[in-house]
Amino acid sequence: DTAVSQTPKYLVTQMGNDKSIKCEQNLGHDTMYWYKQDSKKFLKIMFSYNNKELIINETVPNRFSPKSPDKAHLNLHINSLELGDSAVYFCASSPSLDEKLFFGSGTQLSVL
Amino acid sequence: DQQVKQNSPSLSVQEGRISILNCDYTNSMFDYFLWYKKYPAEGPTFLISISSIKDKNEDGRFTVFLNKSAKHLSLHIVPSQPGDSAVYFCAAKVAGGTSYGKLTFGQGTILTVHP
Repeated sequence: DTAVSQTPKYLVTQMGNDKSIKCEQNLGHDTMYWYKQDSKKFLKIMFSYNNKELIINETVPNRFSPKSPDKAHLNLHINSLELGDSAVYFCASSPSLDEKLFFGSGTQLSVL
Repeated sequence: DQQVKQNSPSLSVQEGRISILNCDYTNSMFDYFLWYKKYPAEGPTFLISISSIKDKNEDGRFTVFLNKSAKHLSLHIVPSQPGDSAVYFCAAKVAGGTSYGKLTFGQGTILTVHP
């Protein structure tokens, strides 16, 4: 009964590959997010979706493409992976655009 | 440019004592602040928040203080317990407008509470 679940938990892949991370929330929230925790440990927003509509795209390379098939899901597809994409990616949700966030447990992506 | 900074990477305190975690920000448009706690292999979880119209918010053992003129906030945990050992993130946002829940995080402070 995990509130925000993302899969996989770990992802190890080669440069140039395409990979996806899935996220689902069962909290009935309207808004979902992707955050990236970089090597310096800062969490930075990448995208937010409200009711399946893209709201924030924080100057992320277009190799990153979020997809929200419905309010409960926000997946992240990454094309042509680069070494610098190695990070922990967190999915989150909130009940509206201005509420506190509920985070998933993160996906550790390692690009070799 | 990091608009939210936690200058202490780690803090170690004895059980029962007070833990004080600090956070500084540079963007004067921030008017809502949050603290998140993160255990290993888990996502951050919301702990406590404060609006800029207040200078203090208390929830049980946790109190957040905001000094707007200094652009500084702090989280006090009294008394500290071993289960409080975690990474604590400070976050800030501009309420309303087009912020759409966008949080700007600090880099976290690792708190270790010794029995």
